This record gives sequence, structure tokens and C-alpha cells, in this order.
Amino acid sequence: QQQVKQSPQSLIVQKGGIPIINCAYENTAFDYFPWYQQFPGKGPALLIAIRPDVSEKKEGRFTISFNKSAKQFSLHIMDSQPGDSATYFCAASLVTSGTYKYIFGTGTRLKVLA
Amino acid sequence: NAGVMQNPRHLVRRRGQEARLRCSPMKGHSHVYWYRQLPEEGLKFMVYLQKENIIDESGMPKERFSAEFPKEGPSILRIQQVVRGDSAAYFCASSPTEFYEQYFGPGTRLTVT
Repeated sequence: QQQVKQSPQSLIVQKGGIPIINCAYENTAFDYFPWYQQFPGKGPALLIAIRPDVSEKKEGRFTISFNKSAKQFSLHIMDSQPGDSATYFCAASLVTSGTYKYIFGTGTRLKVLA
Repeated sequence: NAGVMQNPRHLVRRRGQEARLRCSPMKGHSHVYWYRQLPEEGLKFMVYLQKENIIDESGMPKERFSAEFPKEGPSILRIQQVVRGDSAAYFCASSPTEFYEQYFGPGTRLTVT
């Protein structure tokens, strides 16, 4: 119930391609869905986030699509660049103990070829 | 405005020793979270603290692990009598309020030999 399943585990695309990373959850109490980008040796950095009352959100080249009925959400990276090569984590959060508790997916290692 | 700071960045301990990991939240942030990341895995929540209070420690192992966030100074995650299975990256995150995005530090990579 508390899991977030993320796929694929790794992804290789050509420069300019549109990698898509998918996440699925079970617990309908989740109400906030952030995506984090992590470069090797660095901490995760918040990329973009969405709430379940919205079906899509765009920020620059990054788009989240959210399907509430299917309990799935995905990250699309438009016009991907080699600099986007990183590990991407989806997360889902719910209010518990008076704060947001984040449940992270297992990560997708993206490589964008020049 | 400096981000979340963690030190040391790398820590090597022998089995049975103690590890102390420090986290200084962003300026103005009074909520601190600790996560553990094992190789090839996502981040796992460990503990949530506010100044001088542990709010949620449901992700902390029952033994050997403890955390504090004193009125003055950084938050500290302490691991006593470390074992090889404790080798991981430990990340700290902070937020200004309890219902706000969490900002992560660069992590401390603990290696137990």
C-alpha cells in the first residue's frame, strides 16, 4: 500500500528524444507527487511536482502526466540533452504525523547520447 | 542562501565503531528529515525532527540508530556499533514548514569496513 513502483530501471535515448519514466501507486491517500533529479555524488534536487487535481503540469522541458483513476503518473523530458543524464526518482507523499512523508520509487537511470 | 549542508561527505568506519553524521538545514528551515539510500535503490525515510523534538521515527532501526536536532547546532544522526549493512548514502532534507517541499543536502556516504 505504501509502495511506489517506478519503471524502467534504466533508459537510453538519443539527444532530442523524449524519455518517459512511469510510476504507479496504490494508496489513494497520496496527495502530492514530486520528481527528483540526482546526479552522481549529489543529493536529489526537486524537478517538478503535481497534485492529483491536475492531469498535467509543464515546467520548461519537463512534463508530468497524472492519471488519477489508474493511479499512475509519468515524467516526460522533451528535447532531451546529454546534460539530462542522471537518475530520476518519483515520489508520493501523504500527510502523516503532521508532515509530508515521502515514499520514493527505486529510480530510473537515464542516459542521453550526444 | 546556502543550501542544506551535510558533513562529512565521506565517512569510513570499522565494524563496531560509531558514526556521527551532521546536517545543517537551510536558513529559516526548522524541519529536518533523514533518509538512507542503498546502492541501486531509492531513498528510504528514517526520521523527521523539529527543533528539540522527534516527530516521526517510524523508519529508524530500533537499535543502534538515534537522531537529534538540538535547539542550537546541526541535526545529528548517530549510528552506534556500525555493521557492514549500514554502508549507504545518508541524506538529510529540510523544509520551512511541515507541508512544504523538502530540499536535500549532498549526502554522507558511509562505508563500513
